[in-house]
This record gives sequence, structure tokens and C-alpha cells, in this order.
Amino acid sequence: RKEVEQDPGPFNVPEGATVAFNCTYSNSASQSFFWYRQDCRKEPKLLMSVYSSGNEDGRFTAQLNRASQYISLLIRDSKLSDSATYLCVVNKLSEGQNFVFGPGTRLSVLP
Amino acid sequence: EAQVTQNPRYLITVTGKKLTVTCSQNMNHEYMSWYRQDPGLGLRQIYYSMNVEVTDKGDVPEGYKVSRKEKRNFPLILESPSPNQTSLYFCASSFLGGPSYEQYFGPGTRLTVT
Repeated sequence: RKEVEQDPGPFNVPEGATVAFNCTYSNSASQSFFWYRQDCRKEPKLLMSVYSSGNEDGRFTAQLNRASQYISLLIRDSKLSDSATYLCVVNKLSEGQNFVFGPGTRLSVLP
Repeated sequence: EAQVTQNPRYLITVTGKKLTVTCSQNMNHEYMSWYRQDPGLGLRQIYYSMNVEVTDKGDVPEGYKVSRKEKRNFPLILESPSPNQTSLYFCASSFLGGPSYEQYFGPGTRLTVT
């Protein structure tokens, strides 16, 4: 089983739609969680960190469920510019600084 | 401008010819890391460094070496490249000391080993 798993996608949604991505991680020692965005052939960039209480940044909402080892990302009112691959990342601070990336979920927002 | 730079951006080489990919950051970050990205496998960590002269293996270190002699630089060395090291490589850096370390990535180096 992979350490971080994500919905395989791709997700093709119309503009204005709400879309949710899921991510599960296998190592209960994981302590920090993130969503990164990667445009085609570009470097990943931090979208948002994920906190235990859940957090929101504009149209984006991230949730963490430590008991189920599950992270989610919700995008409301999708824009064409949201088209990208979304990467779930976990960090095992107890083992130094070892970031593990999920394989990513590709999103295409269609006009 | 705060950034992570990598050189070269594109490299085609032959099996066995030693090469170095440089990585430099100007943000005084303690932490630096190298990843490779392959289709269907996502980003996998090769090596990371918590500070000068401190390096550690990631998930896929075989065939690679790194050094951290200065805080700003973290070169990736392939002593004897093989075709299975053909990949897109990213360098990243971040501060340490808090629960949410944003990693800043370089633009990537596309390596082809024939």
C-alpha cells in the first residue's frame, strides 16, 4: 500500500462546480499535512496547510481527520485557472523532515 | 526575489557519465531536499538536508549523492547515471522550527540518460 494515496482522477468539471479531493495516509506518525498545486511541467506550489480544526482560504477548504488518517480539499465555484494537479503531502516530523507526496489528482475545469 | 534556482534546466547525457545538478536558494533556509517526479509515481524524495553538513536519505537515494557544504547550495550528484534515472528533478527548500513548513521548489531539471 502506498504511504499517501489520492483519488486517481482526472476530474473534469464545469466552471462554477464544487469539487472535492480525498487523500489517505498510512503512517499514523505523520504530523503535518499540506495541499500543493502543480501546473503542467511546472514546480509544485503550496496551496494550503491543513490544520486539525480544518481551515478555509477563499474558495478552498481543507479538512483533516486524524482518526481515519484522511485529508480532503474542497474547491467551490471552480474557475478555469483552477485546472492543475493537486498533490497531497504529509510530513513525518518524528523522522526528521521527510515529506511524502501523493501521486496527485488532475483537475480540468471546463468552460 | 526569493527563489530556488536549479541548473541545468535540461540535460541529455549518456550512461555512466558523471553529472551534477546544482541547487541554490537565497532565503537562508535550513532545510533543502531533492525529489524526482515520474509519471504515475508522483514526487519521491531522494535526499534531504536539515542544515550544513547534515544530510539524510529519502525514499529513493540509490544512485545519487548530495553534499551540503554551504547553507545556500545543495548539489545532486549522479556518479554513474543510468537510463532509469531519466526523470524530472526538483530541488526544494524551507525553514525549520514550526509545524507547517512551506517548501519552495525550483523550476525543475529534466534529465534524459541514454
